[in-house]
Amino acid sequence: SQQGEEDPQALSIQEGENATMNCSYKTSINNLQWYRQNSGRGLVHLILIRSNEREKHSGRLRVTLDTSKKSSSLLITASRAADTASYFCATASPQGGGSRLTFGEGTQLTVNP
Amino acid sequence: NAGVTQTPKFQVLKTGQSMTLQCAQDMNHEYMSWYRQDPGMGLRLIHYSVGAGITDQGEVPNGYNVSRSTTEDFPLRLLSAAPSQTSVYFCASSYLGLAGGSEQFFGPGTRLTVL
Repeated sequence: SQQGEEDPQALSIQEGENATMNCSYKTSINNLQWYRQNSGRGLVHLILIRSNEREKHSGRLRVTLDTSKKSSSLLITASRAADTASYFCATASPQGGGSRLTFGEGTQLTVNP
Repeated sequence: NAGVTQTPKFQVLKTGQSMTLQCAQDMNHEYMSWYRQDPGMGLRLIHYSVGAGITDQGEVPNGYNVSRSTTEDFPLRLLSAAPSQTSVYFCASSYLGLAGGSEQFFGPGTRLTVL
């Protein structure tokens, strides 16, 4: 099965609530990255967490990484309608100079006003 | 900086036709890559390059060729288009050699339909 599998596939919440998305992977990684994609647009980088890091924050985003369980989570706090998008995790393998990414299939987040 | 640019934005081909999707970046990134995204799915790596003159295959390379003659440009060629290649194609670039890796910058995509 695919490296970087997200869970859930779809998530619908109310504005102001927190959203949590999970990602699991199978092989060793250099880092794990989260990206956002608005409908019909390109991907925008959100956050990168290195294999020796356990937690990282950026604004309303919090990412955790558990290399022993080969899993990561993305928490968006106090969600807004503008957070509605697809969210993808991507794992970077040692190939390609450590830049080769493998993407999961994404979580579709809907934030209702 | 323009970032990563892709042309064309939209393209319709007939089965068997060939074409080249253009990708350019002005950030002096060593690493460039091509992905395809099918409806409701994540991105799958087609080909990538770690520098001028160096390319390698990704997960789904069949039916596509790439070359990297300059740092800035990384064109993707469809040799003989098939309906299965109908997809949205994204080009991305990043720095190499940073400890722990670096983020990738994506272009806006090319939406390709093969009839």
